Amino acid sequence: EVVMTQSPATLSVSPGERATVSCRASQNVGSNLAWYQQKRGQAPRLLIHDASTRATGIPARFSGSGSGTEFTLTISSLQSEDFAFYYCQQYNNWPPWTFGQGTEVEIK
Amino acid sequence: QVQLQQSGPGLVKPSQTLSLTCAVSDVSINNYLYYWSWIRQHPGKGLEWIGYSHYSGATYYSPSLRSRATIFLDTSTNQFSLELRSVTAADAAVYYCAREKGGARGGYYLDSWGQGTLVTVSS
Repeated sequence: EVVMTQSPATLSVSPGERATVSCRASQNVGSNLAWYQQKRGQAPRLLIHDASTRATGIPARFSGSGSGTEFTLTISSLQSEDFAFYYCQQYNNWPPWTFGQGTEVEIK
Repeated sequence: QVQLQQSGPGLVKPSQTLSLTCAVSDVSINNYLYYWSWIRQHPGKGLEWIGYSHYSGATYYSPSLRSRATIFLDTSTNQFSLELRSVTAADAAVYYCAREKGGARGGYYLDSWGQGTLVTVSS
């Protein structure tokens, strides 16, 4: 099973600033990585798939990069609605698909 | 835009079977492009993928739940279901249904989610 490790666990950012969340895979997952946003009490929402492709309707301030074992989610200018939890997920190796433990982006 | 609407009891007794259903709108579950999945989230914790099922009959379950979980597709009602047998307190969580879509280079990501069902295990 591929272990996904996110950092940091909590990220304190001011509105308008840039936020960067990292995700590391325990083995090569190619570009088969997705990012999800989850607000409290809601279901997760797909932000990014194939490491860098924004899902339908996702604003351009969200971007993903990386391949292999190191990945990054960047939010270029945080808006109030972006304060939430973020999870990475690999879907490269045969199931089970595995998620990172999550990063909370909170208001500084 | 696909919609997934979950239903099922939020309270299950220990040792009994958890049963949840996900009704799918605007796409057929026998569409070969998609797999149909269940994921759970323990309180205050991260996401745990349970398994998927495909119209072709292909299924896969997380090793930790394989002996107790079954995912069924009902094409007559365009719904899919999760059964988790012999539940314990450790199975108390929010359960989500989701659609899996193929990535550009293989594998499947979760592009649409149900609203979630909080399941409590208690006698």
